[in-house]
Amino acid sequence: DSGVTQTPKHLITATGQRVTLRCSPRSGDLSVYWYQQSLDQGLQFLIQYYNGEERAKGNILERFSAQQFPDLHSELNLSSLELGDSALYFCASSVSGTLAGNTIYFGEGSWLTVV
Amino acid sequence: ILNVEQSPQSLHVQEGDSTNFTCSFPSSNFYALHWYRWETAKSPEALFVMTLNGDEKKKGRISATLNTKEGYSYLYIKGSQPEDSATYLCAMLMDSNYQLIWGAGTKLIIKP
Repeated sequence: DSGVTQTPKHLITATGQRVTLRCSPRSGDLSVYWYQQSLDQGLQFLIQYYNGEERAKGNILERFSAQQFPDLHSELNLSSLELGDSALYFCASSVSGTLAGNTIYFGEGSWLTVV
Repeated sequence: ILNVEQSPQSLHVQEGDSTNFTCSFPSSNFYALHWYRWETAKSPEALFVMTLNGDEKKKGRISATLNTKEGYSYLYIKGSQPEDSATYLCAMLMDSNYQLIWGAGTKLIIKP
């Protein structure tokens, strides 16, 4: 158990809909990262938050947004869903904003299926 | 475009044999190299973080080396066991960048 909690574990929704994925980082970790893992691709970095502020942005679509709350949990909002958004969405956390000497700890992921 | 390449894509190894695989990355602006192990239906788990050229790290039967000048890292598994079956991911951190750039992974299958 990494200490990172993600909900829901599985989600099936229709095209055009909107979903929210939730993540609680490990106790004491200030950074939260969101990743997308599609069947035919490696881990794609979406966005990072550090202590409530956006720190880095990756290949995140405009239809997607995220935030980190004062209690450090984070939400990833996916809207106007398309079939291609079906993927495993990972949340990860780390103690600081830099990964030079620190590892990140992954949650078990949220499987999103868009039908 | 920055690419982290892992080879081979998949590997079948007999139980008890030793094996190794490679992570290649652009050597310019290198800051750190991460290795993770990802078992099916579980979350990726950190193995090593290496930053210095010549670094060697070991965790039980698994070890890793780093060559930042030529841009590669090797992961070695000695005396493979069925529980070593997993996808092994490497990721590079560039200088002044908060993002890890991930390889596509090497899927290791240990045959009993």
